[in-house]
Amino acid sequence: QSALTQPASVSGSPGQSITISCTGTSNDIGNYNYVSWYQQHPGKAPKLIIYEVSNRPSGVSNRFSGSKSGNTASLTISGLQAQDEADYYCCSYTTSGTLLGGGTKLTVL
Amino acid sequence: QVQLVQSGAEVKKPGASVKVSCKASGYNFTSYAIHWVRQAPGQRLEWMGWSNTGNGNTKYSQDFQGRVTLTRDTSASTAYLELSSLRYEDMAVYYCAREVYRFDVSGSLLFWGQGTLVTVSS
Repeated sequence: QSALTQPASVSGSPGQSITISCTGTSNDIGNYNYVSWYQQHPGKAPKLIIYEVSNRPSGVSNRFSGSKSGNTASLTISGLQAQDEADYYCCSYTTSGTLLGGGTKLTVL
Repeated sequence: QVQLVQSGAEVKKPGASVKVSCKASGYNFTSYAIHWVRQAPGQRLEWMGWSNTGNGNTKYSQDFQGRVTLTRDTSASTAYLELSSLRYEDMAVYYCAREVYRFDVSGSLLFWGQGTLVTVSS
């Protein structure tokens, strides 16, 4: 199965905002509001930070926000902090199962 | 509190099978689907499939079709992943994860196990 398309890396300075895109097709992101985002620090299990496009689980900072337009979903992190440096993965429901993105490495400069 | 506790690390030879367990606690096991996701060293997350812990239905990624089997033991609140015909490239950390909502398979995975390292070596 093809993965959702994410940039390999993004970077930003503390306090700045960054956006990570996730491009799919009309068979996944474009047809369902079941897009989720995960943050993964080295050696740790992934952590859900956004689900159903724009919902945040309890305890997740409101600096994280999600949106979707057509076949592309986006994760925005505002007020960048050093601890935001991690890998980020998008995920979408499809009728064939669950599709994950290739992952984006966020570097906080 | 919700916990998913996975079985320990495994070392297997190419061609063998491996079975990883995921013991759930802190919630009604049969109300939430369990997904399995793996990550090879330095690589991306890969979704393998989900198991409806209530009725036993399953959905597998095409990438693993024919080699992966998901089962569950409701009396033990435990989900299982079995991967057969192991190859060197199957060496990875295997995670189980639970959905946010009951009876949902949308891929909103709120709770994760600690991961199980499977090493494939001759």
